[in-house]
Amino acid sequence: SQQGEEDPQALSIQEGENATMNCSYKTSINNLQWYRQNSGRGLVHLILIRSNEREKHSGRLRVTLDTSKKSSSLLITASRAADTASYFCATPASGGSYIPTFGRGTSLIVHP
Amino acid sequence: NAGVMQNPRHLVRRRGQEARLRCSPMKGHSHVYWYRQLPEEGLKFMVYLQKENIIDESGMPKERFSAEFPKEGPSILRIQQVVRGDSAAYFCASSPGTVETQYFGPGTRLLVL
Repeated sequence: SQQGEEDPQALSIQEGENATMNCSYKTSINNLQWYRQNSGRGLVHLILIRSNEREKHSGRLRVTLDTSKKSSSLLITASRAADTASYFCATPASGGSYIPTFGRGTSLIVHP
Repeated sequence: NAGVMQNPRHLVRRRGQEARLRCSPMKGHSHVYWYRQLPEEGLKFMVYLQKENIIDESGMPKERFSAEFPKEGPSILRIQQVVRGDSAAYFCASSPGTVETQYFGPGTRLLVL
């Protein structure tokens, strides 16, 4: 079964706005990753956050992790049309595994 | 440094035929993972291989599917006697070792008629 689930399933915003996506998971993890997938392409790794970290930044991306709530969020600030893609969170499959399992993703559309 | 290569990018097969999907990992990467993605779904793990060894095949269907990663050459995912339900995008990823971050190829889209 899937470990992480993204919310919302779909998000449509205007260029310049911020986009926030959430991920909830079920069991304890030692890390959580976010990936992006453009239509018809493979996944691209965005950011990895470890269980002892609460927040991490990379350019216009900000990821938070709340282990007590078993949730993470991905914030894209000042979105661009090129950010249009599906975004997936990935968590280790089960105790000690480092093979990531993926949710169904959030489909983000940024209108120019 | 070329990324993960997959070929073919698109593959059409009739029911009952065989499908062979190839994956060349990034240079220096000895770990390969195969995933399947159905439309509007996330990626489902299938198999994890290192050179000449299958490490974890817990996500692989028990019948018709096999994978290998020989000492020389690409990793191969083989699907025998394909059925329409095998139609999906198959992605390969590689990593240099047992690290969390994987690098994905562009995928092979298999269509079974």
